[in-house]
Amino acid sequence: EVQLVESGGGLIKPGGSLRLSCAASGFTFSRHSINWVRQAPGKGLEWVSSISSSSTYISYADSVKGRFTISRDNAKNSLYLQMNSLTAEDTAVYYCARVSDNGHYTYDYWGQGTLVTVSS
Amino acid sequence: EIVLTQSPGTLSLSPGERATLSCRASQSVSSSYLAWYQQKPGQAPRLLIYGASSRATGIPDRFSGSGSGTDFALTISRLEPEDFAVYYCHQYGNSPWTFGQGTKVGIK
Repeated sequence: EVQLVESGGGLIKPGGSLRLSCAASGFTFSRHSINWVRQAPGKGLEWVSSISSSSTYISYADSVKGRFTISRDNAKNSLYLQMNSLTAEDTAVYYCARVSDNGHYTYDYWGQGTLVTVSS
Repeated sequence: EIVLTQSPGTLSLSPGERATLSCRASQSVSSSYLAWYQQKPGQAPRLLIYGASSRATGIPDRFSGSGSGTDFALTISRLEPEDFAVYYCHQYGNSPWTFGQGTKVGIK
C-alpha cells in the first residue's frame, strides 16, 4: 500500500524556520517525482515545490523561492522541505504528493498533511 | 502563470442529480494537461481525472471530464451521497502548476 506521511509541522514565530519531512513507503520512491502542495485554512490548493526522482530538476513557486528548499534522500525514502523566513502567509497544511508515472504530472497519492502555523 | 477560474463557486444539488462543474483557463492548457481532484473535509485531495478526460484508477464512471484549450468541465452523472465535496481543477501543462479556487458541491 502506498503511503506518504508528513511530519514536522507546528507553531512557529514569524521569521523562524521549520523543516518538514515526508516518509514514503509501499512503492519505489526513487522512481517518482514528489511535490509539496499547501492549503491555507479554508482556502484552495497551492503548488509549492517539485523535485524529480534523482533531484536533477527542482522548482519552486515564486511565493517561496529563495526561502524554501526541497530535497530528498532516496536511500531513506524521504522528502524534505526546509522553510526559512516564515511569514503568516505560509500558514497552511502542507501535503507531499506523488507524481503519477503515467506520463501525466498529476498527484496520484497524497499524504495526510502537516499543519504549519506562523504566528507570534 | 495560467489562472484557472472555476464556476460556480457552490452548487446545491440533490442525490441522483447531475452536476456540471466548469474550469476556464486564462490561456490555452498545453496538450489538455488538466486534472480534477475531489477533496472532503479533513482529507487530502483525491485524483479523479487526468488529461482532461481520463479517469484515474478506481474512479467510478459517473465521473467524466471534457474540454480542451481554455474550457474544461467535470460532470458527475448521478450524484451519490459520497460525492458531496469540493472539486479542484489543476493544470500541469505550464509551470508553475496551478489550481482553480474550487467548486463546492453541497446537498440541497
